Amino acid sequence: DAGITQSPRYKITETGRQVTLMCHQTWSHSYMFWYRQDLGHGLRLIYYSAAADITDKGEVPDGYVVSRSKTENFPLTLESATRSQTSVYFCASSSGRNSYEQYFGPGTRLTVT
Amino acid sequence: QKEVEQNSGPLSVPEGAIASLNCTYSDRGSQSFFWYRQYSGKSPELIMFIYSNGDKEDGRFTAQLNKASQYVSLLIRDSQPSDSATYLCAVHDMRFGAGTRLTVKP
Repeated sequence: DAGITQSPRYKITETGRQVTLMCHQTWSHSYMFWYRQDLGHGLRLIYYSAAADITDKGEVPDGYVVSRSKTENFPLTLESATRSQTSVYFCASSSGRNSYEQYFGPGTRLTVT
Repeated sequence: QKEVEQNSGPLSVPEGAIASLNCTYSDRGSQSFFWYRQYSGKSPELIMFIYSNGDKEDGRFTAQLNKASQYVSLLIRDSQPSDSATYLCAVHDMRFGAGTRLTVKP
């Protein structure tokens, strides 16, 4: 089906482990984004990508790594998970950067114990 | 620090009333503004965007932008229980407010 998907939808991991969250979109949108959503903070941008092999930091990039080898995929890796990274993570895609609607995936709820 | 501020609520209105949601932003260079609706446990979805000063209407929704005062608002007319959700204001450089939770009581 067309759209934007995320996997896994729920993940529990331990402090210090590496975990990768996957994001896949079928619209061929050039831009993709990763946000985290925490109570009281709304959505905060972690990283974004303008195209394959082009990524840039957002507001809260520390502790995260991204890659984009293919237009449709934008994985987010937590290299050594910490409890402060417990959050709901949303991936989004868009035709452009600042003035275009973003389409959000269903989210991944990550708990770091 | 470029900020986007919203009252967290909750905002409670009776069915059929007008709900007014407000957002202020600090970056005077912001050019585009978005309102997303997020139901509990779901992802945000766009309901309105506005680029120019003034009002923009779409059905029961009206977005209002005042760049001189640096605020953008969303009015929901004839509010319905199905409008109960969190409303997120977003500014063009991918900055979101914390959201305002709206409850429409039957």
